[in-house]
Amino acid sequence: NAGVTQTPKFQVLKTGQSMTLQCAQDMNHEYMSWYRQDPGMGLRLIHYSVGAGITDQGEVPNGYNVSRSTTEDFPLRLLSAAPSQTSVYFCASRDNGVSGNTIYFGEGSWLTVV
Amino acid sequence: AQKITQTQPGMFVQEKEAVTLDCTYDTSDPSYGLFWYKQPSSGEMIFLIYQGSYDQQNATEGRYSLNFQKARKSANLVISASQLGDSAMYFCAMRGKGGGADGLTFGKGTHLIIQP
Repeated sequence: NAGVTQTPKFQVLKTGQSMTLQCAQDMNHEYMSWYRQDPGMGLRLIHYSVGAGITDQGEVPNGYNVSRSTTEDFPLRLLSAAPSQTSVYFCASRDNGVSGNTIYFGEGSWLTVV
Repeated sequence: AQKITQTQPGMFVQEKEAVTLDCTYDTSDPSYGLFWYKQPSSGEMIFLIYQGSYDQQNATEGRYSLNFQKARKSANLVISASQLGDSAMYFCAMRGKGGGADGLTFGKGTHLIIQP
């Protein structure tokens, strides 16, 4: 029972580098989303998807791209990393049915941009 | 826009006492959901309890209950008989259709420390 799997767990990037945070879920959930958590803050929504081929922006989308080519995967791309993107990133998923109030989070990805 | 306010940055509570963590919210959506999550020092987000805006009764899950006062727009979490393992950050969150985003809006959290 894997749930929501994020990779990598830890990453250090240099300013200007690009990278992709991977997120996969094995629960056939339609809804997937990415959040970032900064010190002393709650999570803030970056991008979300309501199904394969459909994505939309959340509260803090600048500097990030997403795509949803399959139901299972929802990668988050940093195009040109900046120190302000140093954060902990969480991927989440839920289904669109009766149990859609249960939102499953991955374990988080710690990203440092130097 | 949706907003969640948690006014207690930190709380110290004696073991076995009951704890109330405050949460107020603001939304113009008639339909919304309220969540509480626990985040221990290891970092993962653990779902605790959910309350729908149309639910007639307050939600309960084991030692957790949600004191939902719709007119006051408050959704306080009550932990009965606190344990040392309850020490963690606690986040209140809301899901609605505000702004078109189907995601969660989080408060800044309360750091709860249970003392023996």
